[in-house]
Amino acid sequence: DTAVSQTPKYLVTQMGNDKSIKCEQNLGHDTMYWYKQDSKKFLKIMFSYNNKELIINETVPNRFSPKSPDKAHLNLHINSLELGDSAVYFCASTPGTPGSREQFFGPGTRLTVL
Amino acid sequence: KNQVEQSPQSLIILEGKNCTLQCNYTVSPFSNLRWYKQDTGRGPVSLTIMTFSENTKSNGRYTATLDADTKQSSLHITASQLSDSASYICVVSAQYAGNNRKLIWGLGTSLAVNP
Repeated sequence: DTAVSQTPKYLVTQMGNDKSIKCEQNLGHDTMYWYKQDSKKFLKIMFSYNNKELIINETVPNRFSPKSPDKAHLNLHINSLELGDSAVYFCASTPGTPGSREQFFGPGTRLTVL
Repeated sequence: KNQVEQSPQSLIILEGKNCTLQCNYTVSPFSNLRWYKQDTGRGPVSLTIMTFSENTKSNGRYTATLDADTKQSSLHITASQLSDSASYICVVSAQYAGNNRKLIWGLGTSLAVNP
C-alpha cells in the first residue's frame, strides 16, 4: 500500500491556468507538508499543516493555497500559473509535530508550465 | 544564520568501494539531524535520524556519525552498489520555544556508483 500518494504524477499546463495537486497519506500522521524542488534539486518547504491547521507558511505567493479537508489529505491549489512555478512538488507527512520525527515523502508531481 | 552545507557536491565511485559524505551545520538550537536518500524521480527516503546524544547510527550499509560539538555529520556507505546512486541530503532540525521546530535542508551530494 502506498503510504503517501500524490495525483497527478505529471502536470503540463499553460501559463495563467489554475491547477490542483492532491495528496493523501494513510499512515495516520498528524502533520503534512508541501515542498517544491526546483531544477537545482533544492527542496524548499512551502507549507505545513498539523491536524488540519496551517502552522508553516514559508513566504509562498498567495497564488498557492493549501487546503486540508482532514488530517489525511493536504491539497495544493495554484492560481494563475507562471513559468517559474515549473518544478517537482512533493507532499510529505510525519507523526507528531513538525521536525520531531522523520518525514515520509510522496512520489512527487512534476509540474511544467508552458 | 541557520545553514547546512554538504560536501562534496558530487561524487563518482566504483561499485564495491566505500565512500563518506560530509555535512556541516550552523543550526541552533539543535534538535536532530537526518540523512535522506533521494533516487532520481522519487521522493526522499529517510536513512537515519540522530539526536544530540547519539554519535553513530547504522542502517544496513549506511552509517551516520554526529559530532554535536563540531557540528559535523558524515554518512559512510560501505561496499557500494549500483542502487546507491542517488542524491543524499542532510537535514537539521532546530527546536525553538513552544515545541516549534524548523527543518533546514542541505543541497545534497549527488553520488554515482559505476560498474
